[in-house]
Order: sequence, then structure tokens, then C-alpha cells
Amino acid sequence: EAQVTQNPRYLITVTGKKLTVTCSQNMNHEYMSWYRQDPGLGLRQIYYSMNVEVTDKGDVPEGYKVSRKEKRNFPLILESPSPNQTSLYFCASSFRQGTPFFGQGTRLTVV
Amino acid sequence: EDKVVQSPLSLVVHEGDTVTLNCSYEVTNFRSLLWYKQEKKAPTFLFMLTSSGIEKKSGRLSSILDKKELFSILNITATQTGDSAVYLCAVVVLGVNRDDKIIFGKGTRLHILP
Repeated sequence: EAQVTQNPRYLITVTGKKLTVTCSQNMNHEYMSWYRQDPGLGLRQIYYSMNVEVTDKGDVPEGYKVSRKEKRNFPLILESPSPNQTSLYFCASSFRQGTPFFGQGTRLTVV
Repeated sequence: EDKVVQSPLSLVVHEGDTVTLNCSYEVTNFRSLLWYKQEKKAPTFLFMLTSSGIEKKSGRLSSILDKKELFSILNITATQTGDSAVYLCAVVVLGVNRDDKIIFGKGTRLHILP
């Protein structure tokens, strides 16, 4: 089954404790991206990747890192999480010029 | 700055009603417009529109794009409680690095009363 898989689905953590949210897709998509969704602000892009070893900043990259060592994986790293990074995070993938296909989301709470 | 504006932000109607959701945009290098439905989880794809005046239809849902007036509408006829969701509009533009960039609107929250 074609899918984008994020883990974990829910996470509560403390300020400053490094965490990684994984994202994996099995559709051989070149393009992967991370979004955060906040009430009243909609979906905002954090980082995206056009292909292996190619990543670029989206609209709200501060406080986040990503890597794309393999085509199928695109982890999101929060080196020192802060409460303002409490949000619902989505990973998405697509073929170039295709429509994004979203993962199920990760609800992160930073206390 | 590229922007996508959806209206209304929230809408409550009775089952059986017809609704029209609006999406207007101001962008450079337009490539396509996307509609998604988001229930409690991930957004699921509904339509992609690239050409003006050509209606896309799927069951009770339909959508059309006007590239001259820079907007799209999503129509839902004979609404059902299962149509309750947030509907997201997104515009795909060609970014500065010649990558596709997607700009989302804030969504319209639709609630269907039984």
C-alpha cells in the first residue's frame, strides 16, 4: 500500500531535549517536505527536499533541521525544542510536479 | 508576497444543503491549484486544477478555476454529515530555485448539521 509513514504519532517532551520525527515513503517520490499546522495559521512549510542530499528552507525553518540521505526517508530534527514548536506536523511526498501525499501527522507538545 | 485566501473561514449548514467554498490567490508563476479535505488526520487530495473553465467533478463535489480572476470554487451538493471537515486550498508556484513551492490557505471549516 502506497503510504507516507510518520513516527511517532504523538509526542510530549520537555524544552531542550533533542528529538527526531521520522518520515518514510514507499512511492519512490523525489519531493518530500515537512509542514506544521497551527490554529488560524494553516499549513506552513518548514523544509523541503527535491531529491537525495538536496534540501532547502521553507517558510518557517527556524529551530528545525532535516536530512535526506536516502530517497525514502526525510527525518525532521528539533535540536532544542521550545514550547512554540508545539504543533501538528505533517510530512508529505510527491513526484516532481505531482500532488503531495500526506502522512498521518505527528502531534508534538513541548512543555 | 504570494498568498492564498479562503473564505469563509467557517460554515455551518444543514444536511442536504449545497455549499460553495472560495479560494482566491495572488501569486507569481502559477502552476496549479489543489483542493484537499482534512478530517481529523492527514489532508486527502480532492482535485488539481490547471486550466480555466474546466470543471473537475467527483460525485457530489466539483471545482472550477478562473485564472483571469484568480480564484477557484469548490462546490458540494446534497451535503452529508460525512462532508464535515476542513477544506484546504493550495496553489503550486514555480519557486526561485525552479522548484515547485506550495502555498496553503488557512482552510474553511465546514460543519454539516444532521
